[in-house]
Amino acid sequence: SQKIEQNSEALNIQEGKTATLTCNYTNYSPAYLQWYRQDPGRGPVFLLLIRENEKEKRKERLKVTFDTTLKQSLFHITASQPADSATYLCALLKAAGNKLTFGGGTRVLVKP
Amino acid sequence: GAVVSQHPSWVICKSGTSVKIECRSLDFQATTMFWYRQFPKQSLMLMATSNEGSKATYEQGVEKDKFLINHASLTLSTLTVTSAHPEDSSFYICSASTGSPDEQFFGPGTRLTVL
Repeated sequence: SQKIEQNSEALNIQEGKTATLTCNYTNYSPAYLQWYRQDPGRGPVFLLLIRENEKEKRKERLKVTFDTTLKQSLFHITASQPADSATYLCALLKAAGNKLTFGGGTRVLVKP
Repeated sequence: GAVVSQHPSWVICKSGTSVKIECRSLDFQATTMFWYRQFPKQSLMLMATSNEGSKATYEQGVEKDKFLINHASLTLSTLTVTSAHPEDSSFYICSASTGSPDEQFFGPGTRLTVL
């Protein structure tokens, strides 16, 4: 069966350090992989999209890598700030259709 | 741009009643809208996909007669939870898409509590 796994344990990190989150998937051939931020009681907010033929994408302090051989994406928040504290979700999208399948999310807590 | 709203943001109802949740794309036309459900500390689970003017496509295990979806215009989709029961209590989130796979915009969610 198809699985998308993110570390369910919360990631506690000191302000200024780099937070690295992992998204692993099995039995899936996504065309796109997306990362979202979700704050408590709110809907997800789109952060970054990376395509299957791309290795890396950056946006300000965020960096995403996509390894289709390892079936893994890494999400990095550099120079982390307390305002980055949230749950981060990865989501996969197949080439046919535009249905997103979400991972369970990883909660990040940046301590000042 | 690309704002999606939901109404209400929260609702409490008695068991057996029906509840309607609205999802609107405020500044763009959404050819496709999606409805998700999220239980506490779990991820978003897709319930159904709706295209304007056609019947919704439901995911496996989602009862179409219980969760009625109407997508009557390019800016509005509604989800009606019929005969709601406490197990339907959840966070319901919609998203809207212009059709491009890398553009899907999420609403703020609706918290449903069924007593």
